[in-house]
Amino acid sequence: GESVGLHLPTLSVQEGDNSIINCAYSNSASDYFIWYKQESGKGPQFIIDIRSNMDKRQGQRVTVLLNKTVKHLSLQIAATQPGDSAVYFCAEKTKRRSGGYNKLIFGAGTRLAVHP
Amino acid sequence: KAGVTQTPRYLIKTRGQQVTLSCSPISGHRSVSWYQQTPGQGLQFLFEYFSETQRNKGNFPGRFSGRQFSNSRSEMNVSTLELGDSALYLCASSLDSPNEKLFFGSGTQLSVL
Repeated sequence: GESVGLHLPTLSVQEGDNSIINCAYSNSASDYFIWYKQESGKGPQFIIDIRSNMDKRQGQRVTVLLNKTVKHLSLQIAATQPGDSAVYFCAEKTKRRSGGYNKLIFGAGTRLAVHP
Repeated sequence: KAGVTQTPRYLIKTRGQQVTLSCSPISGHRSVSWYQQTPGQGLQFLFEYFSETQRNKGNFPGRFSGRQFSNSRSEMNVSTLELGDSALYLCASSLDSPNEKLFFGSGTQLSVL
């Protein structure tokens, strides 16, 4: 079936460096993408989203890039901090023909470890 | 504004029992989705409810069921529990709009012994 996956299961970075978390998706009909952050003992927390009519969107210290040609999504975190240590999930949605959206499909997740 | 509230936070059950989990969405949110999270399978979609109707369903056996009440609160039930049902069960709510950001609760950690 359709799936969303991640290239790297774990990513270790030094505090202050930039982090890049990658995600590949297989459903070419997907047109809405979200990044979530999940800290230990908590539910996933919304970080940033992007629609398929965009190729870049910026938030506070985070940037999401979308390459529809190769069906690739990435999350860039600038000046990574210890508080950024968590598991990051990409998720995708496709539009229903009848309107509205289908279920949100999550990737496997990447663990980001920030070292001082 | 209160976030998504899930109760109980932890549950321990034995095989063959049944369990009911509760979720209160963010005020004004009419869509409630349930996910199962395990280390091996990640986040798997169970079902979504909107206006007391199931709108989407994942690939789980019929032992997993849910419902939504008129105040948008939702419950999910798992009957005849199996060891493999041990997982974190997450509830998420959203506004019913094209940009459907899901807001998650902290989950219910279910352990089946």
